[in-house]
Amino acid sequence: QVQLQESGPGLVKPSETLSLTCTVSGGSISSYYWSWIRQPPGKGLEWIGYIYYSGSTNYNPSLKSRVTISVDTSKNQFSLKLSSVTAADTAVYYCARFTVAGTLGYWGQGTLVTVSS
Amino acid sequence: DIQMTQSPSSLSASVGDRVTITCRASQSISSYLNWYQQKPGKAPKLLIYAASSLQSGVPSRFSGSGSGTDFTLTISSLQPEDFATYYCQQSYSTALTFGPGTKVDIK
Repeated sequence: QVQLQESGPGLVKPSETLSLTCTVSGGSISSYYWSWIRQPPGKGLEWIGYIYYSGSTNYNPSLKSRVTISVDTSKNQFSLKLSSVTAADTAVYYCARFTVAGTLGYWGQGTLVTVSS
Repeated sequence: DIQMTQSPSSLSASVGDRVTITCRASQSISSYLNWYQQKPGKAPKLLIYAASSLQSGVPSRFSGSGSGTDFTLTISSLQPEDFATYYCQQSYSTALTFGPGTKVDIK
């Protein structure tokens, strides 16, 4: 059974860069797409972007200028960097496996990142 | 971007009730529509994909229908564990978008 686990700082200062890593276990990161999604407290889901194991990416147009998603197949991990954060970026960040059918079938438990000085 | 709307935004229902949630896309998305269930403090769970296909392990009381711009998620007989928030998501566009969610709570 594929499992995903997010890790990274729970507190980031305004204007700095949010960095998270998702570790995939129970299966290889190869041959799949991997995605980041976020959810501000009490609000709905927002797709951030996805990466193919080969490194090709696709980002939410509204976040594209600030987002970088990368993959490290040797560690079975993929990562998210979001630059110039503000309080509006405070959210639970989820990583998930994305299929070519467009579904998000496996999710991590999520990690809360708060942007505050 | 393809905008997704859902109605109602919330509903109250009793165990055993038939519940229907509607999702509408701002343009035709064929059958590229998925439904998720999210319980408080948990990650979303995939219920229905491609508008009407039941994800493995999901109870058969859940069903989906629709194509083009209008879709529905139906729970035929609401169970206590079904009280949650439900989201639709389109995958027609490479820029994925979710609906705002429908919260189902106990009447």
